[in-house]
Amino acid sequence: GAGVSQSPRYKVAKRGQDVALRCDPISGHVSLFWYQQALGQGPEFLTYFQNEAQLDKSGLPSDRFFAERPEGSVSTLKIQRTQQEDSAVYLCASSLGTQNNSPLHFGNGTRLTVT
Amino acid sequence: ELKVEQNPLFLSMQEGKNYTIYCNYSTTSDRLYWYRQDPGKSLESLFVLLSNGAVKQEGRLMASLDTKARLSTLHITAAVHDLSATYFCAVDMGDNFGNEKLTFGTGTRLTIIP
Repeated sequence: GAGVSQSPRYKVAKRGQDVALRCDPISGHVSLFWYQQALGQGPEFLTYFQNEAQLDKSGLPSDRFFAERPEGSVSTLKIQRTQQEDSAVYLCASSLGTQNNSPLHFGNGTRLTVT
Repeated sequence: ELKVEQNPLFLSMQEGKNYTIYCNYSTTSDRLYWYRQDPGKSLESLFVLLSNGAVKQEGRLMASLDTKARLSTLHITAAVHDLSATYFCAVDMGDNFGNEKLTFGTGTRLTIIP
């Protein structure tokens, strides 16, 4: 079956531009997560949705970052006025969410480069 | 703040040898995950460890969890080239509502030399 799908795969933005990153989770997965992975580092938590509700956004680094999942399926991570420090791979993950022992299924990520 | 540390960060080993990757974490948790990441690829789930003393094995990889010591190990037996990848451990500090909020270690980059 289809896994977690993210688009675009690569994005180059000039400093100050806005970007939108899309995530299509596995069908039926209740939980959706966004993580940021800097080069050579482990992923860092950004935000979490349970269906359409954003239950935790404690990892968003600034108010320039905004995520939504309006119908409880597809999610979009938006970054306004991009800065060079935003350059990273943005990973989306989903899980069934009904059991605490279900692993997260990750997408291939969007590599964002801010020039 | 939860800290997750992996040791070593880089590991180069010969085919056929055994080695262990260590994952220490700083606060109480009884849910720990191991993931594999190939260059330019996403993370693939390897093991889910849910209780103290849990041990799981898949092929040449075996993972264990000691929640009292706040330590997990990933043991590689008779390494082969296709095990070359970066391995992450991740600790679940989520709430009771199914928030599997993971804190990842910095990863161990494993290179298997023929």
